[in-house]
Amino acid sequence: DIQMTQSPSSLSASVGDRVTITCRASQGISNYLAWFQQKPGKAPKSLIYAASSLQSGVPSKFSGSGSGTDFTLTISSLQPEDFATYYCQQYNSYPRTFGGGTKVEIK
Amino acid sequence: QVQLVESGGGVVQPGGSLRLSCAASGFTFSSYGMHWVRQAPGKGLEWVAFIRYDGSNKYYADSVKGRFTISRDNSKNTLYLQMNSLRAEDTAVYYCAKDVGYYDILTGSTKYYFDYWGQGTLVTVSS
Repeated sequence: DIQMTQSPSSLSASVGDRVTITCRASQGISNYLAWFQQKPGKAPKSLIYAASSLQSGVPSKFSGSGSGTDFTLTISSLQPEDFATYYCQQYNSYPRTFGGGTKVEIK
Repeated sequence: QVQLVESGGGVVQPGGSLRLSCAASGFTFSSYGMHWVRQAPGKGLEWVAFIRYDGSNKYYADSVKGRFTISRDNSKNTLYLQMNSLRAEDTAVYYCAKDVGYYDILTGSTKYYFDYWGQGTLVTVSS
């Protein structure tokens, strides 16, 4: 199975900050990586697929990059509605595996 | 608009069974693969199972293989998860999620990722 490791597991940031989250795969997955946002008590929401393609309706402040084993999610200017937990997931092979999540909290 | 509505969750004793449903609307259900994903209380996301659009292919996480069965009824636009021999560690919110494909020009193949999720249904396994 492909293991997905996210870092950090949590971070504190202020409104307006630029935030970067890292996701590493235990083996190469090309660009078959998705990012999801989850707010407390809510279902996850799709943000990015193919490592860098924005899901329809997702604002351009979110961006993704990477290929192979190392990926990043960047939020260019953090807004109050962006405080949430973010997960990466590989869809290169089954079982589809998620990273452990990164909780973005208000400083 | 796409809607996925899970139901069937509840409290069940260890060793018991439960069947979850996911009612789909707003898209052509019979054209898309579907998944179940779960989230234990305070924990991260765990993929559980997948079924191809026509039911011809199914995959399971090792943690549920042999105990859970994914199925679908395309005439009813509904996805199911039959859960048997339930354990305390199966306690979680269960989400259904829809697959969507895109053409990958690098490999010349179609790749699939999750685009929509349901709101989830809570399953509690406890005596």
